[in-house]
Amino acid sequence: DTAVSQTPKYLVTQMGNDKSIKCEQNLGHDTMYWYKQDSKKFLKIMFSYNNKELIINETVPNRFSPKSPDKAHLNLHINSLELGDSAVYFCASSQGRRSNQPQHFGDGTRLSIL
Amino acid sequence: QKEVEQNSGPLSVPEGAIASLNCTYSDRGSQSFFWYRQYSGKSPELIMFIYSNGDKEDGRFTAQLNKASQYVSLLIRDSQPSDSATYLCAVNTGSGGFKTIFGAGTRLFVKA
Repeated sequence: DTAVSQTPKYLVTQMGNDKSIKCEQNLGHDTMYWYKQDSKKFLKIMFSYNNKELIINETVPNRFSPKSPDKAHLNLHINSLELGDSAVYFCASSQGRRSNQPQHFGDGTRLSIL
Repeated sequence: QKEVEQNSGPLSVPEGAIASLNCTYSDRGSQSFFWYRQYSGKSPELIMFIYSNGDKEDGRFTAQLNKASQYVSLLIRDSQPSDSATYLCAVNTGSGGFKTIFGAGTRLFVKA
């Protein structure tokens, strides 16, 4: 049973398109995250939701819009994709409201912009 | 100054040796510290977490925390080629402790 699952695993698309990535966790965790890992492997927090409430919104272009329909799901929609959006996007979840508990990561979505 | 700093490596050790990975952090109020391992093309997986000053041991892994020096380390005893990966230090930080900041990672190679 996959604990944190993301779809799709790979996403290849052209500049200017709009795309979505979905994430679901079956661990019963309260908090979910989106991270971006660039080509230099630096893992950077983008958003965090606790029980559908946005609690972290880093300096991310407003082309990125997260949505959490319930505490087990966190989706990421990206408008007008740019070359610099190419990266691996990881979803993660943890217990509790603060991020002081270990996080469980999904397998990542590899986004390539042509 | 970066919020979480690690030596990017690569750190190369022979099989059976002790690998020592280091991390410093800037937020003196940080309370929770994590080590994740990431194999190439895979997602990060938790190795250890530590909340209190001192050492915490789990099998071949020991995490060490010194809050006064703002320093956390990971020791891997009897290193195996399968330990070859990137090790990410992560620190819970920020107002309210809602944010986890990751270091850039240290690449470890264990030579057979």
